[in-house]
Amino acid sequence: DQQVKQNSPSLSVQEGRISILNCDYTNSMFDYFLWYKKYPAEGPTFLISISSIKDKNEDGRFTVFLNKSAKHLSLHIVPSQPGDSAVYFCAATGSARQLTFGSGTQLTVLP
Amino acid sequence: DTGVSQDPRHKITKRGQNVTFRCDPISEHNRLYWYRQTLGQGPEFLTYFQNEAQLEKSRLLSDRFSAERPKGSFSTLEIQRTEQGDSAMYLCASSLLSGLLNTGELFFGEGSRLTVL
Repeated sequence: DQQVKQNSPSLSVQEGRISILNCDYTNSMFDYFLWYKKYPAEGPTFLISISSIKDKNEDGRFTVFLNKSAKHLSLHIVPSQPGDSAVYFCAATGSARQLTFGSGTQLTVLP
Repeated sequence: DTGVSQDPRHKITKRGQNVTFRCDPISEHNRLYWYRQTLGQGPEFLTYFQNEAQLEKSRLLSDRFSAERPKGSFSTLEIQRTEQGDSAMYLCASSLLSGLLNTGELFFGEGSRLTVL
């Protein structure tokens, strides 16, 4: 039972353009949603999060949008840079604060 | 402080052997988590501690797996009688409960890769 799904295993975009990564969830008890970035041979690093009471959170080039009715969130990266190339994991958490992760999307930003 | 530290980074063992991984969290972090990640998948929750108390274990954590955090600081994850299906990256993460309640953020180590031959 996958409670957090990332249906696109990979995404390629041109440098300077927008990257949009998508994530769907099924558990309505989740109250925080997070994005992590992972480079090879490193642990995941936190990127940005959003509370379930908000619909948008922005941090520099990164914006996360939450659509609770659709149980969908997305991460927008504008403008995309080659250094953004990594695996991006969507994660969600409830009151126990144990993260449930999606399977990840490999983002490749082409120079 | 240099972040969450895990040791060893890579362990190769033969099926049936026991292995132990160690995690040193960021100091003063009272929450410590263990996750397992296999190729092409996201990290899967195994267990977590609040100080020295183990509060939750996933059904993924079979009887061959045991985790401890004896003094509420470092933690160990032991796998007994390893099987080839245990081959994975084992990730440790820590956080302050207060920070978790605000943002949900966990701080991950670089992981310990287990290869069972």
